[in-house]
Amino acid sequence: NAGVMQNPRHLVRRRGQEARLRCSPMKGHSHVYWYRQLPEEGLKFMVYLQKENIIDESGMPKERFSAEFPKEGPSILRIQQVVRGDSAAYFCASSRVAGIKNIQYFGAGTRLSVL
Amino acid sequence: DQQVKQNSPSLSVQEGRISILNCDYTNSMFDYFLWYKKYPAEGPTFLISISSIKDKNEDGRFTVFLNKSAKHLSLHIVPSQPGDSAVYFCAFIENAGNNRKLIWGLGTSLAVNP
Repeated sequence: NAGVMQNPRHLVRRRGQEARLRCSPMKGHSHVYWYRQLPEEGLKFMVYLQKENIIDESGMPKERFSAEFPKEGPSILRIQQVVRGDSAAYFCASSRVAGIKNIQYFGAGTRLSVL
Repeated sequence: DQQVKQNSPSLSVQEGRISILNCDYTNSMFDYFLWYKKYPAEGPTFLISISSIKDKNEDGRFTVFLNKSAKHLSLHIVPSQPGDSAVYFCAFIENAGNNRKLIWGLGTSLAVNP
């Protein structure tokens, strides 16, 4: 199965720790997107990356959050000094190219719980 | 600032009947519209999409309708099947030629009863 792979599926952190969420896009996909779903809310866009470049980070909180998509390896969403409000499901999506009909395919998500 | 509204948090339909899910939006710059389905503990799965130059797109049991003047998007599923029970999200793209950010509704939970 060459779908979007996210790991870990569940992540528990204590306040102040760091959380690292990984996303391997579908084979042949070079565009990666991160979304966050807070409890009882819809998905919210966070960041859009291509290999080694951040294209749109308009949805990223200004502090503690960062994302990268290196030339080799998965995309990483990093949350430093986590707080309880960071508890959410984080979804990664990938697409082949950036055309208008290009569809984003989603992974199963990482559920982050901050104690 | 809620640009997208799915006013029905839940919908219950009998198997074999039609399911109609609705979204209203306020941003006239949206030009590409999508529906995703989501099962518990899984990521969203793409269903069907439509661009702003069309008013209808059909794929098997799924049909999406776009009424630009009313800023209204709907998804029809006919006939509905128990396996269609899931949360359905509408998602929108503004200036799709240059932008890839999806703006999401809050979802409608569909239950199809046998």
